[in-house]
Amino acid sequence: DSGVTQTPKHLITATGQRVTLRCSPRSGDLSVYWYQQSLDQGLQFLIQYYNGEERAKGNILERFSAQQFPDLHSELNLSSLELGDSALYFCASTSENTGELFFGEGSRLTVL
Amino acid sequence: AQSVTQPDIHITVSEGASLELRCNYSYGATPYLFWYVQSPGQGLQLLLKYFSGDTLVQGIKGFEAEFKRSQSSFNLRKPSVHWSDAAEYFCAVGGSLAAGNKLTFGGGTRVLVKP
Repeated sequence: DSGVTQTPKHLITATGQRVTLRCSPRSGDLSVYWYQQSLDQGLQFLIQYYNGEERAKGNILERFSAQQFPDLHSELNLSSLELGDSALYFCASTSENTGELFFGEGSRLTVL
Repeated sequence: AQSVTQPDIHITVSEGASLELRCNYSYGATPYLFWYVQSPGQGLQLLLKYFSGDTLVQGIKGFEAEFKRSQSSFNLRKPSVHWSDAAEYFCAVGGSLAAGNKLTFGGGTRVLVKP
């Protein structure tokens, strides 16, 4: 158990819909990363937050957005969903002391 | 730009045999290097990491990796594979996470273990 909690574990929805994925980082970790894992693109960095502020942005679509709340949990919002958005979405957190990412078990999104 | 190449998509190895997974990276500064393992339906678990110092690093589950700056490589090895090592392995490169850097992952190598 990495200490990073992601909900829901599985989500099935239709094209055009909107979903929210939630992540609770390890206790004490201020930094949260979101990654997308798909068969054709592999593990792609989406976005990073540090203590509530956006710190880095990767290959995140404009239809996607994220935020980190004062209690440090983070949410990834995916809207106008397309078939190609079907993927495993990982959240990871880190502390500055360890210098490594701790991953949650992911949220598997299926868009039909 | 930073990038990671894992040349082998699949590797099949017999139980008890040795295993070596290749990783080549591109990074403009001193790299921080990682190997992660992903079992089916699971998240990624850190096997080992290299920040500086001794270029041969030991990790969990009997894995080790060697950093070779001249070859831009960070290959993962295990002397004797167990059936439970069947999984997908990812190499990653980045800068210091404390400085806000991100990790870039390779495409992964899926390891199958034959009895």
